Amino acid sequence: QSVLTQPPSVSAAPGQKVTISCSGSSSNIGKNYVSWYQQLPGTVPKFLIYDNNKRPSGIPDRFSGSKSGTSATLGITGLQTGDEADYYCGTWDSSLSAGVFGTGTKVTVL
Amino acid sequence: QVQLQQSGPGLVKPSQTLSLTCAISGDSVSSNSAAWNWIRQSPSRGLEWLGRTYYKSKWSNNYALSVKSRITINPDTSKNQFSLQLNSVTPEDTAVYYCAMGDWRYGLDVWGQGTTVTVSS
Repeated sequence: QSVLTQPPSVSAAPGQKVTISCSGSSSNIGKNYVSWYQQLPGTVPKFLIYDNNKRPSGIPDRFSGSKSGTSATLGITGLQTGDEADYYCGTWDSSLSAGVFGTGTKVTVL
Repeated sequence: QVQLQQSGPGLVKPSQTLSLTCAISGDSVSSNSAAWNWIRQSPSRGLEWLGRTYYKSKWSNNYALSVKSRITINPDTSKNQFSLQLNSVTPEDTAVYYCAMGDWRYGLDVWGQGTTVTVSS
């Protein structure tokens, strides 16, 4: 039972944009940095965004992150079939003194 | 380039202890700027962070509440690795287990290959 809530699925046509929300609380997203992870089918999760909105080297600028209050958002523009994956947000929860992941969102390219 | 290599059994009997090891290359488990995490994933629980160990002047650990009474994560400086022990396992602990390097600000940026652990008699 994750403390971070994401929509189970989002979908769009190739070339379009999707956004994935991650809703938390004042003890986690409201107080700490958010990171995002992509998990392609059958693979290990891959680090996409850190520090709310920064991309590690090698991650295309089609991927973007933002945070406002107790929510964070991952955006993917110019959607490609290779973007079909599960996406997870993650952060530290200061009340739990523990890391927490979101419930995960499956992105489907129509 | 940091790499993490996991090892350990894929089958554990109920009530026994699950033990996994994560060997580190390209960095030191004693690094002042890194944290070493264990995470698991199952269809019913999604991605679940289990805990971490890190060194900043002294060794510290944090554990998820869901496993706090059963988990131990230890560094092994002589072998440059860290381990996970989960006691009194049940079928609910069946999952793919990952080790990962990083923290929640700068991200969990390096992951092990994953170990599928089944709890069954």
